[in-house]
Amino acid sequence: KAGVTQTPRYLIKTRGQQVTLSCSPISGHRSVSWYQQTPGQGLQFLFEYFSETQRNKGNFPGRFSGRQFSNSRSEMNVSTLELGDSALYLCASSRGGGGNYEQYFGPGTRLTVT
Amino acid sequence: GENVEQHPSTLSVQEGDSAVIKCTYSDSASNYFPWYKQELGKRPQLIIDIRSNVGEKKDQRIAVTLNKTAKHFSLHITETQPEDSAVYFCAARSGFIGEKLTFGTGTRLTIIP
Repeated sequence: KAGVTQTPRYLIKTRGQQVTLSCSPISGHRSVSWYQQTPGQGLQFLFEYFSETQRNKGNFPGRFSGRQFSNSRSEMNVSTLELGDSALYLCASSRGGGGNYEQYFGPGTRLTVT
Repeated sequence: GENVEQHPSTLSVQEGDSAVIKCTYSDSASNYFPWYKQELGKRPQLIIDIRSNVGEKKDQRIAVTLNKTAKHFSLHITETQPEDSAVYFCAARSGFIGEKLTFGTGTRLTIIP
């Protein structure tokens, strides 16, 4: 079974621009969660989608948004980029359904904002 | 919300010795505790997990223990090998809806040959 994939793997953007990241979960997984990883803040939860609905949201500004499609693929969008948004963005998929299922991470998208 | 503390932040052990990493959580409703290993430049990899109805779980050289009363769980690696060198993260899932994980700050484990 193919693992979680993310595209693109690397991105360089300028302050003020917007960016869209994509995540394809493991086949059969319906939950996709997004995390931001930085050296200073560690792994922080952004949001989770299940069956095309946002089910949980972390403490990030409204510039961070996401969505999920009917095939469970998910995208996250960051508008009006700031230097502090430079990070590794990881998505993780699980079967979902509230059964404490394991989450498996994708390779991440390394975003650099200049 | 949930808060997870992890100690130590760095750990060096001789090859063949054991390593122990400890985490505490704040939300007594937390019910799922995974551990991830992240090698440099790679994705976090799930190595073991434990649910709140179990006190201990083993998988070869890796074990996790959970003390719900103290809100404390630990990762134990025995007979350490150079390939165990990585950053290890503990996490807790709280609430009854959704898959949100709250992570500890990580432990950089170095195995000295």
